[in-house]
Amino acid sequence: LAKTTQPISMDSYEGQEVNITCSHNNIATNDYITWYQQFPSQGPRFIIQGYKTKVKNEVASLFIPADRKSSTLSLPRVSLSDTAVYYCLVGPSRGSTLGRLYFGRGTQLTVWP
Amino acid sequence: DGGITQSPKYLFRKEGQNVTLSCEQNLNHDAMYWYRQDPGQGLRLIYYSQIVNDFQKGDIAEGYSVSREKKESFPLTVTSAQKNPTAFYLCASSGSSVFYEQYFGPGTRLTVT
Repeated sequence: LAKTTQPISMDSYEGQEVNITCSHNNIATNDYITWYQQFPSQGPRFIIQGYKTKVKNEVASLFIPADRKSSTLSLPRVSLSDTAVYYCLVGPSRGSTLGRLYFGRGTQLTVWP
Repeated sequence: DGGITQSPKYLFRKEGQNVTLSCEQNLNHDAMYWYRQDPGQGLRLIYYSQIVNDFQKGDIAEGYSVSREKKESFPLTVTSAQKNPTAFYLCASSGSSVFYEQYFGPGTRLTVT
């Protein structure tokens, strides 16, 4: 499975846009890119998934360049409640029989007032 | 409300004792998972089950055991053979062929002294 590399920590201020980039140089053709969010002492929560170009939902946007060797999670106008750990995962897509995900250490995002 | 429940939230045990962590879901999901999280670390997969009466070892299965007798339930036993059992344990579930979107329970924090 493709390994991912993301910054250990990032800081931002309320109201700013935050972009967290993840590197996955060995991504396979069938791999999707998935992002999760985890608050302290809680389980992670699925945010967004994409394969290529741009995906957007009510929470975030995901930008994936044509070579798919990296991806960027974009959080618009963050608030204090966005302070969390964000995980980038590369792996099984819909219909896959692999049945598992690999969580790295993630990126600790801290939003300041 | 549909979701995953884990009990208890906090658990204390003496070294040498086996302990069973409960995980129940009413999402009608086929797949269930157990993860372990240590402070400042990502999630590591202990066991997962893609269907009733079947389960597979994850990356750190030694010292743990599971059963999957019912679709709704996936209990984890931490045995005395687990050398460092103190951790935050997370249970998750997902629909079949949708492994990238896992729903997590609130977690059980186990302390063994």
